[in-house]
Amino acid sequence: AQSVAQPEDQVNVAEGNPLTVKCTYSVSGNPYLFWYVQYPNRGLQFLLKYITGDNLVKGSYGFEAEFNKSQTSFHLKKPSALVSDSALYFCAVRAGGSYIPTFGRGTSLIVHP
Amino acid sequence: GAVVSQHPSRVICKSGTSVKIECRSLDFQATTMFWYRQFPKKSLMLMATSNEGSKATYEQGVEKDKFLINHASLTLSTLTVTSAHPEDSSFYICSASLRADANQPQHFGDGTRLSIL
Repeated sequence: AQSVAQPEDQVNVAEGNPLTVKCTYSVSGNPYLFWYVQYPNRGLQFLLKYITGDNLVKGSYGFEAEFNKSQTSFHLKKPSALVSDSALYFCAVRAGGSYIPTFGRGTSLIVHP
Repeated sequence: GAVVSQHPSRVICKSGTSVKIECRSLDFQATTMFWYRQFPKKSLMLMATSNEGSKATYEQGVEKDKFLINHASLTLSTLTVTSAHPEDSSFYICSASLRADANQPQHFGDGTRLSIL
């Protein structure tokens, strides 16, 4: 079985400050990890993924995520938040043998001017 | 990049009506598509996995006869909400992967807001 936890319902950060959105996972075997962003009344957009290799993955819009195997985490980060980053963020995992992803429940990111 | 188009974006209809939602992969072939329902508190619920040329695989608790899924071609999957009732009102989203590989990201449609009066 595979699962994803996003422990924070909401993250608030001031514009210009660094942001972190947390994600931990549980999976049998090697995980394939993904981050998606959802703007109001839209579908999800792919931000970045970790498959193998470098633990620090860079993605769209200046976001990056760090894979930490020992902590089974894949936190999303950005050095300097923008108001336009305010959205809903989903972490997802797929195990190597499964094509069905499991999504976290989502974290609302609110960036204050 | 891979584009998934979902139509209609919004539907408002009377109770008892059947509503069809289309999900198309515009620039790639998708042997597998997924249908989700998103609730007001934002969580995504996987309803079913749609497989081209075969029956959909429904998640536990999802009524097959209520939510009919057809995946007749490599670029089109449809979800029909039959005899819709107010409790079926929700945001429905489809997605597809370029390949049925675990390391491929999902590409999502823009969702359909269904409101049953």
